[in-house]
Amino acid sequence: SQELEQSPQSLIVQEGKNLTINCTSSKTLYGLYWYKQKYGEGLIFLMMLQKGGEEKSHEKITAKLDEKKQQSSLHITASQPSHAGIYLCGAPTGNQFYFGTGTSLTVIP
Amino acid sequence: DSGVTQTPKHLITATGQRVTLRCSPRSGDLSVYWYQQSLDQGLQFLIQYYNGEERAKGNILERFSAQQFPDLHSELNLSSLELGDSALYFCASSVAAVRTDTQYFGPGTRLTVL
Repeated sequence: SQELEQSPQSLIVQEGKNLTINCTSSKTLYGLYWYKQKYGEGLIFLMMLQKGGEEKSHEKITAKLDEKKQQSSLHITASQPSHAGIYLCGAPTGNQFYFGTGTSLTVIP
Repeated sequence: DSGVTQTPKHLITATGQRVTLRCSPRSGDLSVYWYQQSLDQGLQFLIQYYNGEERAKGNILERFSAQQFPDLHSELNLSSLELGDSALYFCASSVAAVRTDTQYFGPGTRLTVL
């Protein structure tokens, strides 16, 4: 089975600071998804990366995929309280879909 | 709003009982996925249906079953419920059957087994 390890597990930052969340896969990645979840709510799709070296941005969030390292990073620039939540990476393997354990982000105003 | 709806939002029941969770996919989406999220196991893939047929199975217990109807809505049936089945159950939908297709998640059903 696939394992997706996220680091750090939790993050507390001051508003305005930059931060990075990493997702490392135990197997070859054939696509990597980033989702955000508010506690107890549904997952919100952020972005999908499919090719090695691919980088995508949406507003102040940028994600990159390093196929060789089997790793993806999510970078938030100038964090805001609205960025707070749990960030989950997900990836398909075979006929299943796996999620990482999540990174809990708190942004202090 | 993802366009995926789930009912009910909350469900409280007793051990040994049976419940049905319902999911309506986004308009035009043919695939429905079910996930279970608990504190100790995280988010786990249970099962996928595509256009009425089972497409993939994950960590779904034998006590659980699902189906997708001709109108593409799906139901997840959980029977002989145990305390450990208490969790958030999400469904997601996507346009096609491929696992690399973007999945859009519903708001979830919180199941509490007492």
